[in-house]
Amino acid sequence: GENVEQHPSTLSVQEGDSAVIKCTYSDSASNYFPWYKQELGKRPQLIIDIRSNVGEKKDQRIAVTLNKTAKHFSLHITETQPEDSAVYFCAAKRYSTLTFGKGTMLLVSP
Amino acid sequence: DSGVTQTPKHLITATGQRVTLRCSPRSGDLSVYWYQQSLDQGLQFLIHYYNGEERAKGNILERFSAQQFPDLHSELNLSSLELGDSALYFCASSLGTGVLPNQPQHFGDGTRLSIL
Repeated sequence: GENVEQHPSTLSVQEGDSAVIKCTYSDSASNYFPWYKQELGKRPQLIIDIRSNVGEKKDQRIAVTLNKTAKHFSLHITETQPEDSAVYFCAAKRYSTLTFGKGTMLLVSP
Repeated sequence: DSGVTQTPKHLITATGQRVTLRCSPRSGDLSVYWYQQSLDQGLQFLIHYYNGEERAKGNILERFSAQQFPDLHSELNLSSLELGDSALYFCASSLGTGVLPNQPQHFGDGTRLSIL
């Protein structure tokens, strides 16, 4: 089955810095890659996603890039703010099944 | 608010017991997915139902079962509970079969299950 590796497991940045989280996947049949943000005790919230036929997608301060050949995709957050602090999960979808990475705890210090 | 409703929010029970978790999908969504989230295992896919039929199974134990009813709500039944079953259980829903990229999954607020 699909295997998704996510790095780093924790990331501490200063407010205003950029943050990058990287994921790799194993199944070349995966065709959709969402990112979820989960605040403590809350539900995972979809923040951005990318399809396998697109290399990059941007939404205000967040962007996702996908390299199908290398089977990796990344989340970029610019101008980080304290409210960006949360756990971020990447996922890869094959058919209807999402396989999640283990998550990255992002801490943004004021 | 994602539009996905899960009840109850919290459940405390003892080992060996049986519980039922309930999920109502967003209006218009035909697919329901169940996930287990524990500290050491992250978000693990359990099972997917589409319009009443089972479509995919993940790491779901034989002690666990699910079904989706004609009104599209779903129930996850957990039996012979063990301490290790303590976790957050999330339900998600999506349009259609969930296969297409334009059918993202939206999560409910979860049920926190504590086994004493």
